[in-house]
Amino acid sequence: EAAVTQSPRNKVAVTGGKVTLSCNQTNNHNNMYWYRQDTGHGLRLIHYSYGAGSTEKGDIPDGYKASRPSQENFSLILELATPSQTSVYFCASGEGKGDTLYFGAGTRLSVL
Amino acid sequence: GDSVTQTEGLVTVTEGLPVMLNCTYQTAYSDVAFFWYVQYLNEAPKLLLRSSTDNKRTEHQGFHATLHKSSSSFHLQKSSVQLSDSALYYCALRRPGYNKLTFGKGTVLLVSP
Repeated sequence: EAAVTQSPRNKVAVTGGKVTLSCNQTNNHNNMYWYRQDTGHGLRLIHYSYGAGSTEKGDIPDGYKASRPSQENFSLILELATPSQTSVYFCASGEGKGDTLYFGAGTRLSVL
Repeated sequence: GDSVTQTEGLVTVTEGLPVMLNCTYQTAYSDVAFFWYVQYLNEAPKLLLRSSTDNKRTEHQGFHATLHKSSSSFHLQKSSVQLSDSALYYCALRRPGYNKLTFGKGTVLLVSP
């Protein structure tokens, strides 16, 4: 079974603060993804990566940066957090053809 | 761009009865793959089933779906739901050559005793 681990699982941040969400996968998958999940919007893609050193903008990248320093790790960075970024964030990994995504358990972020 | 439309909100079904969760899509591509993901309460989404073949029934865990390109649909069905089927269900598509999915907004299935 593929393993994707997210940290932290819960985070409370202040408006204007910097937040880093981390994701680690042991599947040796090339592709990694960051989604946010909101009621009424479903899963929306923020950033993704095809491999170490690469990051690509997803459908809603504004206010977010991503970093892929290695095959295993993919971070999502909120430089200046805002209350509208309060959400549940999911990291996922997938193989080259993207047929199956393996999701982490999610990070619940509250920006006050 | 691509889009996926699902039955909005909440679908409530009595245990033992059938259910169909609607999924329709728009895409300019013909060789597209389709997926249903399921997310149980406080868990991560996980793949339920997938298909890319027109008019072929795909089954997993008692659920089935058939891609119908003529009607741009990939509805999820089960003939007899169980309490444990209560979850959030996402329909998604992937266009050829792309490594990212387009998800619908999700449908919550609540099975009542």
